[in-house]
Amino acid sequence: DIQLTQSPSFLSASVGDRVTITCRASQGISSYLAWYQQKPGKAPKLLIYAASTLQSGVPSRFSGSGSGTDFTLTISSLQPEDFATYYCQQLYSSPQTFGQGTKVEVK
Amino acid sequence: QVQLQESGPGLVKPSETLSLTCTVSGDSISSYYWSWIRQPPGKGLEWIGYIYYTGSTSYNPSLKSRVTISVDTSKNEFSLNLTSVTAADTAVYFCARDRKHIVYWGQGTLVSVSS
Repeated sequence: DIQLTQSPSFLSASVGDRVTITCRASQGISSYLAWYQQKPGKAPKLLIYAASTLQSGVPSRFSGSGSGTDFTLTISSLQPEDFATYYCQQLYSSPQTFGQGTKVEVK
Repeated sequence: QVQLQESGPGLVKPSETLSLTCTVSGDSISSYYWSWIRQPPGKGLEWIGYIYYTGSTSYNPSLKSRVTISVDTSKNEFSLNLTSVTAADTAVYFCARDRKHIVYWGQGTLVSVSS
């Protein structure tokens, strides 16, 4: 199985901050990577797919980049509704796997 | 607007079978792949498997010996059976549309395994 390692696991930030989350794959996955946001008690929400394509309706402050083994999710200016847990997901090979998550907390 | 709703027992005894159904509304089940994903309390997401409306399936090898996903096109629903459950199977179970990046999710249902 392809392992995805996110860093950091926890992140304290303030409204307006630029936030970057990294996802590293244990082997190359081309651009077969998605990012999700999850709030407590809710299903994940798709933010980014194909590493850098913004899902319809997602604010443009979210962006994704990378290919191969190293990927990043960037929030250009953190908003109050962005405090949540973020997961990456690889779709390159079966079984699809998820990172362990990055919790973005209020500083 | 696509909506998915999980249903089934919230409590299952160890060694028994966990059975959940996902009812799809606002879309025909005969058009897409349909997935099950779970999340143990306070932990990350784990892909269980998916089914196409034709009945073709793919499962996570870590669960493959215990998992069956089936589809009922007449009822526009699909189901998950997980046999020989243990406490490690306690999780929120989500059903979802598509087999890759997922836009449409059910709200999730917590299934606890306990005697």
